[in-house]
Amino acid sequence: DTGVSQNPRHKITKRGQNVTFRCDPISEHNRLYWYRQTLGQGPEFLTYFQNEAQLEKSRLLSDRFSAERPKGSFSTLEIQRTEQGDSAMYLCASSVGQDYGYTFGSGTRLTVV
Amino acid sequence: AQSVTQLDSQVPVFEEAPVELRCNYSSSVSVYLFWYVQYPNQGLQLLLKYLSGSTLVKGINGFEAEFNKSQTSFHLRKPSVHISDTAEYFCAVSFSGNTPLVFGKGTRLSVIA
Repeated sequence: DTGVSQNPRHKITKRGQNVTFRCDPISEHNRLYWYRQTLGQGPEFLTYFQNEAQLEKSRLLSDRFSAERPKGSFSTLEIQRTEQGDSAMYLCASSVGQDYGYTFGSGTRLTVV
Repeated sequence: AQSVTQLDSQVPVFEEAPVELRCNYSSSVSVYLFWYVQYPNQGLQLLLKYLSGSTLVKGINGFEAEFNKSQTSFHLRKPSVHISDTAEYFCAVSFSGNTPLVFGKGTRLSVIA
């Protein structure tokens, strides 16, 4: 068990560019979550998967955001046409069901300039 | 609306003093309750959780929390804090036990030598 791995750790991009983040969950965890955290705030839910099925998306997730989890293993979160307001820490977490709590990765910090 | 409120954004406390970090939630349905800790530039780490049963739950690093259904609260306590407890603490709730976690805005605990 190597924990939840997120890559890259940091990403600086110009406004209007597309970015993609990757999350590798704990191998036996069937649920995978994406959250966004801005300075001084708690994590805000974006979307989650159970195996390969995307079960819920937040209203925060505009049509510029898309997430996938092919084959129920790793997941990617893509942001198209980035805006300065997208600057945040993007956190990935995985779990076995709901009652065991989530294991979080260290996050990907996105800065849009 | 279902929400989580952490009443204190910052709590300074002297080393070896007791501390209580407050968390309230608004919900008429059953809940699962969690506390997470976040050290600088790291992901969130699970401190403890309440799913059912005894209302007093013990977690890692000497922390404990008590579920009070009538007051819809889940306050975190530690009888004697250490410098190493300086971090951001987040309360999180799963409403109906099957929804993605909703996080409070966090409380920054600063332990003063």
